[in-house]
Amino acid sequence: EIMLTQSPGTLSLSPGERATLSCRASQSVSNNYLTWYQQKPGQAPRLLIYGASSRASGIPDRFSGSGSGTDFTLTISRLEPEDFAVYYCQHYDGARLTFGAGTRVEIK
Amino acid sequence: DVQLLESGGGLVQPGGSLRLSCIASGFTFSSSVMGWVRQAPGKGLEWVSIISADGRSPYYADSVKGRFTFSRDNSKDTLYLQMNSLRAEDTAVYYCAKEQPGSGWSFHYWGQGTLVTVSS
Repeated sequence: EIMLTQSPGTLSLSPGERATLSCRASQSVSNNYLTWYQQKPGQAPRLLIYGASSRASGIPDRFSGSGSGTDFTLTISRLEPEDFAVYYCQHYDGARLTFGAGTRVEIK
Repeated sequence: DVQLLESGGGLVQPGGSLRLSCIASGFTFSSSVMGWVRQAPGKGLEWVSIISADGRSPYYADSVKGRFTFSRDNSKDTLYLQMNSLRAEDTAVYYCAKEQPGSGWSFHYWGQGTLVTVSS
């Protein structure tokens, strides 16, 4: 079973700054099946990135995903006020789906 | 518009049972892979189960295997999650979700969730 470790746990930044979130897998991720979600309090998660780097429909281009193998990154180029939220990575290995513990992006 | 509407949550005693439903609309339900994800209060996301379009191949997280049964009725555009032998640690908001086709089980559309509380 692949485990996903997200870092940092909390990221304190100001609007306009760049956010870099990490997701590290315990084993190599096949087919780059690595997904990123955003979740705000009281809301369902929102799909941002799938296949490590493909933006979901309607997602602003300030969100980008990169990486392969065991190391993946979600980058928010310039934080907007609505981007302060919790971000989760997720992996599918053919019979099981795993989430990371999340990174909280908070206003500094 | 894609809509997913969960129902059936509530308070149940440990060892009890509950059946969640999720009614889908706005897309071709019978062609879609669907799943359940839960979130305990103040905690992160936990995958529960996923089911193929034809309903023949559900997969389960180890934490619910043998206790939960995921099924679908494509004639009613409805999912069901039968939860038996419930435990306190099953307390969570349960979301049904629709897979983004070809994305490796990425969930593009989510319901608003239904709260299940297991307590005596």
